[in-house]
Amino acid sequence: AQKVTQVQTEISVVEKEDVTLDCVYETRDTTYYLFWYKQPPSGELVFLIRRNSFDEQNEISGRYSWNFQKSTSSFNFTITASQVVDSAVYFCALSVGTSGSRLTFGEGTQLTVNP
Amino acid sequence: DVKVTQSSRYLVKRTGEKVFLECVQDMDHENMFWYRQDPGLGLRLIYFSYDVKMKEKGDIPEGYSVSREKKERFSLILESASTNQTSMYLCASSVPGTYLLGGYGYTFGSGTRLTVV
Repeated sequence: AQKVTQVQTEISVVEKEDVTLDCVYETRDTTYYLFWYKQPPSGELVFLIRRNSFDEQNEISGRYSWNFQKSTSSFNFTITASQVVDSAVYFCALSVGTSGSRLTFGEGTQLTVNP
Repeated sequence: DVKVTQSSRYLVKRTGEKVFLECVQDMDHENMFWYRQDPGLGLRLIYFSYDVKMKEKGDIPEGYSVSREKKERFSLILESASTNQTSMYLCASSVPGTYLLGGYGYTFGSGTRLTVV
């Protein structure tokens, strides 16, 4: 069985602070995919990134960066110089085997960026 | 613009009613999913389908059923709505893939917020 844990339920920061959202996953499969999604107040899930288990390179996209470490089963997400528009619920998720199969989600982290 | 459309954004139903939540995708995706979202619990999988007329139970199928008569439509049915089914329901679709083929992501609908009174 798969499991995703996001230990931070809520995070509150002041604009321009850096913030890291933690994600730890469990699976016995050797082929799997990890995802991060953003859910703004409008409710729709917005895809941010997908990583497969064979690619441990970290990735940076603008103010967003992701650190994938198989040794600790973690896939952490950092927002640099946070902005008010980053306020949302962020979900980490895992699918195993063939991509496109069922997603297992973490509990979500509510990020609030205050002006 | 490809999308997953959920027929209702907000629904209020009475206890004991039979409730249908509809989801339609226009991307010819094989896989479709119904999730339920509750605070502190994340998204939990109710049912999913890998093809027309196929259905598989997810983690919390009790009290729900599904129907997939056409590839583009996946319906979630609450046979007899109860107050503990008050929640946000999210539909998603995807195309299966492999690592070598790059895999594929998921497209989510905007959600249906169901209140059972």
